Amino acid sequence: QQQVKQSPQSLIVQKGGIPIINCAYENTAFDYFPWYQQFPGKGPALLIAIRPDVSEKKEGRFTISFNKSAKQFSLHIMDSQPGDSATYFCAASSNTGGFKTIFGAGTRLFVKA
Amino acid sequence: KAGVTQTPRYLIKTRGQQVTLSCSPISGHRSVSWYQQTPGQGLQFLFEYFSETQRNKGNFPGRFSGRQFSNSRSEMNVSTLELGDSALYLCASSQLAGWGTDTQYFGPGTRLTVL
Repeated sequence: QQQVKQSPQSLIVQKGGIPIINCAYENTAFDYFPWYQQFPGKGPALLIAIRPDVSEKKEGRFTISFNKSAKQFSLHIMDSQPGDSATYFCAASSNTGGFKTIFGAGTRLFVKA
Repeated sequence: KAGVTQTPRYLIKTRGQQVTLSCSPISGHRSVSWYQQTPGQGLQFLFEYFSETQRNKGNFPGRFSGRQFSNSRSEMNVSTLELGDSALYLCASSQLAGWGTDTQYFGPGTRLTVL
């Protein structure tokens, strides 16, 4: 119930392509779904986040699609660039009974120039 | 505002020793969470502190402990180190002051190597 399943494990796209990373959760107590980007040697940095009362959120080239009934959400990166090459983590958070965030396993994205 | 800071950045210890890691959250943030990151297990939640109280704990043995001080700074301690404790330990802080403030901001991490 506490897992967040993320796929694919790795992804290679051409510059300008639209990589899509998918996540699924089980626990309906989660009420905040952030995506983090991590570069080697750095801590994860928040990219974009969504709440379950919204089906889509867009910030710049990054879009989250959220399907509450299916308990799934995904990240789309429009017009991907080589600088987007990083590891992406989805997460699910709840502040019920203490704040807790469960992370997906991560997706290593490589954007070819 | 200064970001989350963690000290030390790198640490080398031997099996059986103990280690203390430190985290200073963003000013005004009251919640501090700790995570262990390894290539095989990804980001795993250790514990969360809020106003000096541990509110949540992950599935780690009792050798892993922590505390939070009145200024929200937090320390994490690992006793009787094992080889498998080698990892990047990340600290994250949040305001948790109401809707929309539960974004976590991560520090750069402490890279612990156990020999």
